[in-house]
Order: sequence, then C-alpha cells, then structure tokens
Amino acid sequence: GESVGLHLPTLSVQEGDNSIINCAYSNSASDYFIWYKQESGKGPQFIIDIRSNMDKRQGQRVTVLLNKTVKHLSLQIAATQPGDSAVYFCAERSDTNAGKSTFGDGTTLTVKP
Amino acid sequence: DGGITQSPKYLFRKEGQNVTLSCEQNLNHDAMYWYRQDPGQGLRLIYYSQIVNDFQKGDIAEGYSVSREKKESFPLTVTSAQKNPTAFYLCASSTTTNEKLFFGSGTQLSVL
Repeated sequence: GESVGLHLPTLSVQEGDNSIINCAYSNSASDYFIWYKQESGKGPQFIIDIRSNMDKRQGQRVTVLLNKTVKHLSLQIAATQPGDSAVYFCAERSDTNAGKSTFGDGTTLTVKP
Repeated sequence: DGGITQSPKYLFRKEGQNVTLSCEQNLNHDAMYWYRQDPGQGLRLIYYSQIVNDFQKGDIAEGYSVSREKKESFPLTVTSAQKNPTAFYLCASSTTTNEKLFFGSGTQLSVL
C-alpha cells in the first residue's frame, strides 16, 4: 500500500548549521509533495511544495529536492535557527486520489544554541 | 484575518456520549478536511469534503460523522461508536483537493 516515511524520527543540529530532513515515499503515481512544520500544540503549517515535473524548488532558507528515480524527497534548511525547532512532515498526493494526502510520521528537529 | 478556527481547544467526552468539534474557515476554500493525530504519529484522514453538501470517507471514518451544509463550516461528530477517541483533531482547508492545506490550531479530545 501507499506509505510515506521519514528516515529519522529525530534530528539535532547546532544553531547556524544546515539541516537536512529526508522522506521516502512508495507511491510512484504521486505527483505533488508538500513539507509542513508543526510546533507543539499547534496545527501544521505549510513550508514548501514541489510537483513531480520539478526536481528542486527553493524558498526563503528552505530547499526541497525530489528524486523520482528512488522516490526520495528532502527538505534542506539553511542556517538553522532555534525557531526552526518543530516536527516536520512530508506529504504526498496524486491526481488519481485527489483529496487524500498521505503523511509521514514526522521528524523532530531540535536546534541547540 | 483569514484563517481556520477550531473550537473548543480542549474537549472531554464521557462514556457513550457524542461530541461535536467545530471548524470554520473564512478563506473561501471549497475543500475541507478532518485529520486525527496520535502522539508521535503522522496525520490520518477521517473525512473530507470537496464541495457543499458532499463529503467522502477517509482512511479512518468509522465512529465519526460530518456535515457540510455551508461552505465555511465542516463540523465533526465523534460518536459513541468510536472506542478510542483520545487524540488531537485537526481541521484543514484548501482551494481545491490538489493544493496545499491550511490547518486550524486543533482540538485535543480526551475521555473522562
């Protein structure tokens, strides 16, 4: 069945370093991928998205890379700050299953001062 | 400010009781969703609605019911048939079903 998983449940980085959060997906029909950030006790917040016709997309301090060959997605955060500490989820959708996003279990990012 | 409002923030359910979680959005989004989140886990889809007066079951719809009488509102009822209701419930909306989700701040439901 479909699954979206993250490689590591926790990641700890030093403030100022770059962070890389990984995600593997199994549905080759997925064509839209999203990263969300969830702070404690709050709802997830959109960070960045990418469609399957692209392999890289950049935002402010964040970059998403998509490798469809190995079904792998990553989120890179540059110059990580204490405010980046949160749980990060990847999610995927396919046009053939519109309305149903599949979420991974999340990676908890901790930024050490 | 535009956004999604969930209420209450905390809710307690007694044995055999039905409870209703509120979700209102003023983003003019057509699609709305309900997700359940258990500790340390990702989000699982309960129900979603692409348009007023229409909704579809998600992956874990048993023990839940919804209605979509207005575009702005998508309440979720947790019925007594849901034997393990303790979880964090998240409502979301999107312009269409193939776009990013905007989430509310969640309702924590616990059983007394």
